[in-house]
Amino acid sequence: DGGITQSPKYLFRKEGQNVTLSCEQNLNHDAMYWYRQDPGQGLRLIYYSQIVNDFQKGDIAEGYSVSREKKESFPLTVTSAQKNPTAFYLCATRGGYTEAFFGQGTRLTVV
Amino acid sequence: QKEVEQNSGPLSVPEGAIASLNCTYSDRGSQSFFWYRQYSGKSPELIMSIYSNGDKEDGRFTAQLNKASQYVSLLIRDSQPSDSATYLCAVEAGNTPLVFGKGTRLSVIA
Repeated sequence: DGGITQSPKYLFRKEGQNVTLSCEQNLNHDAMYWYRQDPGQGLRLIYYSQIVNDFQKGDIAEGYSVSREKKESFPLTVTSAQKNPTAFYLCATRGGYTEAFFGQGTRLTVV
Repeated sequence: QKEVEQNSGPLSVPEGAIASLNCTYSDRGSQSFFWYRQYSGKSPELIMSIYSNGDKEDGRFTAQLNKASQYVSLLIRDSQPSDSATYLCAVEAGNTPLVFGKGTRLSVIA
């Protein structure tokens, strides 16, 4: 069953804690992306990777980190430096100059 | 900074009417254009893609592109309550990440 799997669906973070959001794909797509969505803000690009072992900052990378050790995986770590992390996080992939396919999203809440 | 602009709405239309959603973009080099539908609490799903000037029809949906005016639109014919959602316009220029508008919230009134 091909697709993009994000986990967990819901995540709660305590103040000062780092948390990692998982994104796995079996579509054999080279490019993977992380977007953040806040109410009324649309999708804002955090990080993206177009090839294994390489990634670039997006528009709002501060307080986040990523790795791309395997083609299938692109985890996002929300560090304690991100002061307002409560949001809906979306992982997406693209195979060439085509549309982006999205995972189901992770809703992160600070408690 | 590449920008994609959409009217945030809400756009309210009666059931059976035509809903018209509009999007403008700043990068004249943009080549690929996409419309996504997003239900509340869910991830975006692709409705239409369009790459050349003119109209592209798929069922009740028609995408229209005018590169000279840097304008792309989505028409939904015979609107249904199930079409009520936020519609996101996305634009791409070359091998770069998609840039999304903030979305237009559509409400179809039964």
